[in-house]
Amino acid sequence: AQKVTQAQTEISVVEKEDVTLDCVYETRDTTYYLFWYKQPPSGELVFLIRRNSFDEQNEISGRYSWNFQKSTSSFNFTITASQVVDSAVYFCARGGGSGNTGKLIFGQGTTLQVKP
Amino acid sequence: IAGITQAPTSQILAAGRRMTLRCTQDMRHNAMYWYRQDLGLGLRLIHYSNTAGTTGKGEVPDGYSVSRANTDDFPLTLASAVPSQTSVYFCASSLIGTSAPGELFFGEGSRLTVL
Repeated sequence: AQKVTQAQTEISVVEKEDVTLDCVYETRDTTYYLFWYKQPPSGELVFLIRRNSFDEQNEISGRYSWNFQKSTSSFNFTITASQVVDSAVYFCARGGGSGNTGKLIFGQGTTLQVKP
Repeated sequence: IAGITQAPTSQILAAGRRMTLRCTQDMRHNAMYWYRQDLGLGLRLIHYSNTAGTTGKGEVPDGYSVSRANTDDFPLTLASAVPSQTSVYFCASSLIGTSAPGELFFGEGSRLTVL
């Protein structure tokens, strides 16, 4: 199976610290897509970003930034100046390739706790 | 804006009983999915449907069945529940077939406990 691995099970930081969540994926596809989702304590899953395999340009959205390195099959997520509201479980996922491009393979998730 | 509605929100079920989790979307997405979430395992795909009338197996399909009679509804049935099916179940939908896969829109989840 082509896995998505989030090696960090839990991360705890103090507010205003920067934190990076790691994601490594496996794929045999030339075209694929990478996603990050956030699951706050309320339980819903919130879409954060989608990147395609042809676009390795890093992306920044406010305090969030993503670093896509195709050479290392990684798609890491950094939160700058973390806030308590960032406390959540974060999931990295891979989709695309041949067939149904909507099926996603999720990583195990990283629980981020931001302490005041 | 409803998006995806799942029912029930929570259910306790005796082993051996039959259970159907309901899922309805109002976004006219062609594809729908059922995932289960378990601690340490993330979300795993159970079944999916690319379009009304078609379904496919995901990573963990055993013990589950689905149907897709129309675009909006995608129920998940446990024919004879077992304790290992205790989980949080998420229904999702997306638009596929365009140049890039759309994001998945998730329901709020159904927490199922099988005793």
